[in-house]
Amino acid sequence: AQSVTQPDIHITVSEGASLELRCNYSYGATPYLFWYVQSPGQGLQLLLKYFSGDTLVQGIKGFEAEFKRSQSSFNLRKPSVHWSDAAEYFCAVVADSWGKLQFGAGTQVVVTP
Amino acid sequence: DAMVIQNPRYQVTQFGKPVTLSCSQTLNHNVMYWYQQKSSQAPKLLFHYYDKDFNNEADTPDNFQSRRPNTSFCFLDIRSPGLGDAAMYLCATSRDFGESKNIQYFGAGTRLSVL
Repeated sequence: AQSVTQPDIHITVSEGASLELRCNYSYGATPYLFWYVQSPGQGLQLLLKYFSGDTLVQGIKGFEAEFKRSQSSFNLRKPSVHWSDAAEYFCAVVADSWGKLQFGAGTQVVVTP
Repeated sequence: DAMVIQNPRYQVTQFGKPVTLSCSQTLNHNVMYWYQQKSSQAPKLLFHYYDKDFNNEADTPDNFQSRRPNTSFCFLDIRSPGLGDAAMYLCATSRDFGESKNIQYFGAGTRLSVL
């Protein structure tokens, strides 16, 4: 069965510092991968997606992610975080042929001044 | 402009009193989903509609039902809410099925409290 692992439950980062969130997936074929962000009390907003092609994917809000097949990873990065980036981040993979999403457990990001 | 709209944003109900949550979309998408998200957890899919075809997840309790009267609207009915049903309920839509077509767009959610 397809699965997604986000090893870090909680990350604290200083404003202006770089951020990297880890995501590992287990999937037999070429995975379709997503990163979503959820601000407190809000729904999920799509940051970026990977279906095929260039393994470095650019998203909204200055985020990017790199697909590495050899490591089964799809890590999310931002060079310089802003206080507004404090949120929960979910990695997800399409888990079956009709497109059901399998979410990771999420990583809570706290931004300190 | 919001494309997936959930109403209300906050709902308080009493133990055992039926409650209905609403979702509407302006995207004209074929697929609509309902997720349950408890505190500090990932969203859990309850069911989805492809057009008028309803698909229940195997572990969704019978207490949860859904209706989709037309393309734009979908409702989540909780027949007899228990304390354990207190959660954020998220509605999402996608254009179609298929791995490359299933980009899901989420509403802001309805926070349900059960007293």
